[in-house]
Amino acid sequence: DARVTQTPRHKVTEMGQEVTMRCQPILGHNTVFWYRQTMMQGLELLAYFRNRAPLDDSGMPKDRFSAEMPDATLATLKIQPSEPRDSAVYFCASGSVRDRGYEQYFGPGTRLTVT
Amino acid sequence: AQSVTQLGSHVSVSEGALVLLRCNYSSSVPPYLFWYVQYPNQGLQLLLKYTSAATLVKGINGFEAEFKKSETSFHLTKPSAHMSDAAEYFCAVSRTGFQKLVFGTGTRLL
Repeated sequence: DARVTQTPRHKVTEMGQEVTMRCQPILGHNTVFWYRQTMMQGLELLAYFRNRAPLDDSGMPKDRFSAEMPDATLATLKIQPSEPRDSAVYFCASGSVRDRGYEQYFGPGTRLTVT
Repeated sequence: AQSVTQLGSHVSVSEGALVLLRCNYSSSVPPYLFWYVQYPNQGLQLLLKYTSAATLVKGINGFEAEFKKSETSFHLTKPSAHMSDAAEYFCAVSRTGFQKLVFGTGTRLL
């Protein structure tokens, strides 16, 4: 049963610290999305990649957030320095352009709390 | 730009009753529309999708939705609610088949 995995599932950190979240997309999927979910803003796209190249990162605060895909099996989202307003659940999703159903498969999320 | 509006942040139904969750979309091009469900402390799972084929779309767990261009709507229905349907439901739109999703604010089904 192929699934998107995310680590860590929960992270509590102090303001100013660096946070790195990791995502392993489903094997063979060539598109990876990062979403953030908060009570105030709901679900919003931060960035997405196709074939490891960034296609859209307009939703991401550039001064503190960075997203990369070092290889096809790993996507990372980094926040440096972290702030309390970054507290949210961060979801990774993956999919394949060969899938005409256009489904995005979501991971379980990383719940980040910045104190 | 694409957007979706979900009417009602909370909807309460009795077990066995009809479920109706409303979604209206705004799109400058023919949209691709999706309904996702989120159970507590879990990720999102696709219920069903409209990708310009049949306007009545059937999904998992007995849910279905009808694309109505004249009303710019994509409401989600289920004839008979079950306790296990209690979750949060999100309507989403994308401009083409495989681009970013723009989500509605969600409706919690009680």
